[in-house]
Amino acid sequence: EPEVTQTPSHQVTQMGQEVILRCVPISNHLYFYWYRQILGQKVEFLVSFYNNEISEKSEIFDDQFSVERPDGSNFTLKIRSTKLEDSAMYFCASSQGRGYTFGSGTRLTVV
Amino acid sequence: ILNVEQSPQSLHVQEGDSTNFTCSFPSSNFYALHWYRWETAKSPEALFVMTLNGDEKKKGRISATLNTKEGYSYLYIKGSQPEDSATYLCAFCGGATNKLIFGTGTLLAVQP
Repeated sequence: EPEVTQTPSHQVTQMGQEVILRCVPISNHLYFYWYRQILGQKVEFLVSFYNNEISEKSEIFDDQFSVERPDGSNFTLKIRSTKLEDSAMYFCASSQGRGYTFGSGTRLTVV
Repeated sequence: ILNVEQSPQSLHVQEGDSTNFTCSFPSSNFYALHWYRWETAKSPEALFVMTLNGDEKKKGRISATLNTKEGYSYLYIKGSQPEDSATYLCAFCGGATNKLIFGTGTLLAVQP
């Protein structure tokens, strides 16, 4: 069964550093998403991406965040200057219609 | 602010018990209700995508019902097994957007 692949599975970074989280969505899916879950809280929507542009973003997705689909297969989330409160599990997902497929997540720890 | 709630937060049952969880969501602007099963360090696994009021879906020992008019969905597990232990998440999708609004999840632990 097709999978959404995320790398790395864990990342520890210093506050203020830039991080790039990588995702390979399912190849024939057209819609791509990033969600995150801060420990003990709900999974929350960050951004959706369609047709090579952001289709919707949440209030969390401020200027520190950006997404890119650099080569037609990868879908990346960049956090420019990480803060302690960015520590969370970040999930990538892709969809074709109503059903989503999620990756297994990247656990980001900012120290 | 759209709110999705799940209850209970956690549940401990014995192997063989049947159990059910509730997800409540906004009754207006409904598009779809998703159920996921999530084990730590794994991808959330899609169980059901429910769209029609009165819908009932089944996958093995797991089934779900949907009431869009009153804004709730039930997930049932018949004859729980230890491998059913996981967090069960529901997520609401409304209106013109395809984004998911998640509940807090129900953590199920099945004791052998």
